[in-house]
Amino acid sequence: GESVGLHLPTLSVQEGDNSIINCAYSNSASDYFIWYKQESGKGPQFIIDIRSNMDKRQGQRVTVLLNKTVKHLSLQIAATQPGDSAVYFCAENSESYIPTFGRGTSLIVHP
Amino acid sequence: KAGVTQTPRYLIKTRGQQVTLSCSPISGHRSVSWYQQTPGQGLQFLFEYFSETQRNKGNFPGRFSGRQFSNSRSEMNVSTLELGDSALYLCASSLLGAGSRVEQYFGPGTRLTVT
Repeated sequence: GESVGLHLPTLSVQEGDNSIINCAYSNSASDYFIWYKQESGKGPQFIIDIRSNMDKRQGQRVTVLLNKTVKHLSLQIAATQPGDSAVYFCAENSESYIPTFGRGTSLIVHP
Repeated sequence: KAGVTQTPRYLIKTRGQQVTLSCSPISGHRSVSWYQQTPGQGLQFLFEYFSETQRNKGNFPGRFSGRQFSNSRSEMNVSTLELGDSALYLCASSLLGAGSRVEQYFGPGTRLTVT
């Protein structure tokens, strides 16, 4: 498969652990945030989104937290599984619309 | 429902050549956005087309251009290729547009290598 994220921050966890992936965004005017998962050889896949009028949103095994004060976003994955191994990155939409993406974090789940 | 498809999946070109990449969005989606992904710069927005009109453009030189057809299929062209154009080019489609806070669906990408 293709390597889409060389020299990325890496998070290694054991299967069954909870994972927390962090993202700092730059534009205080951003009002919509998305987390994507990208597996080797594939395009990014939507995981969960959150609007700026919320500070927490939960999905299936995933939770996104938004702290607008420090412009920080986090993705929590509960009971991490080997299939969760991938590169995860956040995206922000600002008033100008053009979406901005974070560099990504490589998550490695050990069985 | 079929996903976003991109062709070709892999391409090798030499400097100075031009290249055309193709993207077929999900049926019913009118918005197609193009992105360049490199290890150094991450994922960067190129442009978005909606109903055959370019709606937004990222900060890329004029060598990068695109178009969208009446069936929503889109092509992206890069002229006078440079080594730095080597990247994974991703296409994403959505129902209303990337700025509409509606989910975008990405294709698998075209890996372009410029030698």
